[in-house]
Amino acid sequence: DQQVKQNSPSLSVQEGRISILNCDYTNSMFDYFLWYKKYPAEGPTFLISISSIKDKNEDGRFTVFLNKSAKHLSLHIVPSQPGDSAVYFCAASARNYGQNFVFGPGTRLSVLP
Amino acid sequence: GAVVSQHPSWVICKSGTSVKIECRSLDFQATTMFWYRQFPKQSLMLMATSNEGSKATYEQGVEKDKFLINHASLTLSTLTVTSAHPEDSSFYICSASPRQGREETQYFGPGTRLLVL
Repeated sequence: DQQVKQNSPSLSVQEGRISILNCDYTNSMFDYFLWYKKYPAEGPTFLISISSIKDKNEDGRFTVFLNKSAKHLSLHIVPSQPGDSAVYFCAASARNYGQNFVFGPGTRLSVLP
Repeated sequence: GAVVSQHPSWVICKSGTSVKIECRSLDFQATTMFWYRQFPKQSLMLMATSNEGSKATYEQGVEKDKFLINHASLTLSTLTVTSAHPEDSSFYICSASPRQGREETQYFGPGTRLLVL
């Protein structure tokens, strides 16, 4: 069964508004989480990460929120720009247990001008 | 559902030997499989795209004779690192797209860590 889930295959947002991408996980051992952004025909590029000791990490327009009790994290993009249109993958790992990353299936974000 | 496995999960080998990594889709058919290599700063570099029954499409800068990819069935793709050298040491991840899924839906394997001595 999938340990990392992204239940929304796609999301459309108007330019300038907030984009919220969600990710749920089942393994309570996960202690490090990342978001990747992927354009067509390219590999995913690292966007932002968060350790389980935090509940929020911010980098410019991108903020990741972690709710450990709900095993849920989200990526907020404010304001959304057309160049943000891509597929976003959530990934998790149990670093303290030496485990590799587990990726979600991705959410396609379309930012409409 | 939608589980992708990789084997082995880690491997240590001597310089000059070849290493084969398997990627399997366990509960769906994958018309397309992707092979990635993870570099510092955690980004994944797309190495090649393989479609079942046809030759893999390699990205620029990836040596096709060094990284042999075979996609023999709808559930299995293999990556063989031939004559491995220490600079090939890395984390290799595969992903698979289901036959009837969205084109951009990719299910990732757990990765294989390769260390070449």
